[in-house]
Amino acid sequence: EAGVAQSPRYKIIEKRQSVAFWCNPISGHATLYWYQQILGQGPKLLIQFQNNGVVDDSQLPKDRFSAERLKGVDSTLKIQPAKLEDSAVYLCASSLGLASYNEQFFGPGTRLTVL
Amino acid sequence: AQSVAQPEDQVNVAEGNPLTVKCTYSVSGNPYLFWYVQYPNRGLQFLLKYITGDNLVKGSYGFEAEFNKSQTSFHLKKPSALVSDSALYFCAVLTDSWGKLQFGAGTQVVVTP
Repeated sequence: EAGVAQSPRYKIIEKRQSVAFWCNPISGHATLYWYQQILGQGPKLLIQFQNNGVVDDSQLPKDRFSAERLKGVDSTLKIQPAKLEDSAVYLCASSLGLASYNEQFFGPGTRLTVL
Repeated sequence: AQSVAQPEDQVNVAEGNPLTVKCTYSVSGNPYLFWYVQYPNRGLQFLLKYITGDNLVKGSYGFEAEFNKSQTSFHLKKPSALVSDSALYFCAVLTDSWGKLQFGAGTQVVVTP
């Protein structure tokens, strides 16, 4: 089966600019996650969707980050304006549903560099 | 709060030797524990999970993990390491009933020929 798709794979921007990332989960997966992985650290959950509703966005910096999952399939994550500390890999993952034992399937990530 | 710790930043092992990657956890209640592996420029791949039942869990690519409640550990093991096992390994714990994972900082495994 096709995996989780993400684009772009790499992005370089200057601080205060805007950027958007796209994710297409595995077909049929109701739950979608966005993670931020800073170099040398484990992934940190930014936001979790169940279909097109938000389950958890407690760690999303809402003053600059936004995410949506229209129609409950694809999702976009936006940063506006970007800061130097936003340099990281942004990972999208999906799972079948909210059951806690469902493993998550990850995309290849988008590496963001903010100059 | 639910958390995991990976005490080693890097593990070095010769090909053919046993590989162990350590993970300890701190949870209230019964833990749901996971191991993921990350190869360069790729996303995380699921290896195995402990939900309940046997303390020895078998996973992908010949890996297994042993759940030890008294030591609050969930160490990842492989009897004979391959050079291709060189990667970044993450332990994770479920922190709520909605599937939210808390990841450790990761352990870099280097397998030398």
